Amino acid sequence: AQSVTQPDIHITVSEGASLELRCNYSYGATPYLFWYVQSPGQGLQLLLKYFSGDTLVQGIKGFEAEFKRSQSSFNLRKPSVHWSDAAEYFCAVVNSNSGYALNFGKGTSLLVTP
Amino acid sequence: SQTIHQWPATLVQPVGSPLSLECTVEGTSNPNLYWYRQAAGRGLQLLFYSVGIGQISSEVPQNLSASRPQDRQFILSSKKLLLSDSGFYLCAFDPGANVLTFGAGSRLTVL
Repeated sequence: AQSVTQPDIHITVSEGASLELRCNYSYGATPYLFWYVQSPGQGLQLLLKYFSGDTLVQGIKGFEAEFKRSQSSFNLRKPSVHWSDAAEYFCAVVNSNSGYALNFGKGTSLLVTP
Repeated sequence: SQTIHQWPATLVQPVGSPLSLECTVEGTSNPNLYWYRQAAGRGLQLLFYSVGIGQISSEVPQNLSASRPQDRQFILSSKKLLLSDSGFYLCAFDPGANVLTFGAGSRLTVL
């Protein structure tokens, strides 16, 4: 089944610095990939998605992600992090065997320091 | 517009008591519906999904059950809660675009 791995459990960056969160997927064909963000005690908000086409996708809040088939990766990036970006970030892939539910990575917790 | 509502937002229940969490969707018809559980440090685990009224698929054997009595209503239940049922429960829907929208979640603490 389709799966994703987020190798970084925690990441700390300084405000204004650039950010890259890693996500690797496992699937033979072209996967449907997503990044969601979760603030403490809240639901998940969609940042961006990739289905096909242009491998660099733009999302909300200044985030972008690049699909790289050769590396089986879909890394999330932001050129300049704001303190309000501190949250939990989840990469996900559609599971066509489970009603097109999403299989999530374990998440990366982002801490932003002054 | 399409919206999703979950309640209650917070629930504290004793071990052995019943559970009912409700989720409703507005602004769409025949959506796929999903229940996830998020335990601390363990990501999101798919519990149930439904592709139509009365159609429930379970992903993980457990102490919980789900029902879909109406097109846009999805209920998560238990007859007797266990300590291990504590967690953050999230309902989500897909109107058919392969994009899930999540509710605000229900925090369950079993004591």
